[in-house]
Amino acid sequence: NAGVTQTPKFRVLKTGQSMTLLCAQDMNHEYMYWYRQDPGMGLRLIHYSVGEGTTAKGEVPDGYNVSRLKKQNFLLGLESAAPSQTSVYFCASSAPLDYLTLRGLDYRTDTQYFGPGTRLTVL
Amino acid sequence: GESVGLHLPTLSVQEGDNSIINCAYSNSASDYFIWYKQESGKGPQFIIDIRSNMDKRQGQRVTVLLNKTVKHLSLQIAATQPGDSAVYFCAENTSGGYNKLIFGAGTRLAVHP
Repeated sequence: NAGVTQTPKFRVLKTGQSMTLLCAQDMNHEYMYWYRQDPGMGLRLIHYSVGEGTTAKGEVPDGYNVSRLKKQNFLLGLESAAPSQTSVYFCASSAPLDYLTLRGLDYRTDTQYFGPGTRLTVL
Repeated sequence: GESVGLHLPTLSVQEGDNSIINCAYSNSASDYFIWYKQESGKGPQFIIDIRSNMDKRQGQRVTVLLNKTVKHLSLQIAATQPGDSAVYFCAENTSGGYNKLIFGAGTRLAVHP
């Protein structure tokens, strides 16, 4: 199992350009999340999804949009990139609290599993 | 490129010593806590978790202690190894809803030979 994967790994944008970050998970998790991580700070939640076709705002949603058309994928879009969006972006997924399954990974019902991150620079 | 972890508090230990990383959490209603390890250039990786009905939980070389009275969490790493060098984050969660985690800012652990 690949777990949580993210593409691309790196990207450089000019101010005003748009792009989409893709997150995919093969653990059949209902919940998916997008975070950003800035130097000296913890992870801040941008948007999240509790199931296919649903999305909701997190702590820092401005300037981002998301879509969850398929259960395994969660897309993060920047319509008009700004230098303030220079950051490392992480996707995560988790199972609902009452969902128990055991597969190749050592699951915890509440734990979020993270992808490797996308390093985005906006010039 | 950017370096996640700039300006973080740093704990420096000698290889073989025990490490203790502390975390103060904010929400007295939080009932589930997780420690994550993040190596340079990688995503956070689950280490150990603990529920609020417990005071202590042990894993392989790691122990998490929870003091709900003062809202304090600690991660103890026994016989610290160079591979333990990373940034460590605590996260708190309130059961119910969508499993929202609130992350601390992190502590950098530097292990010296």
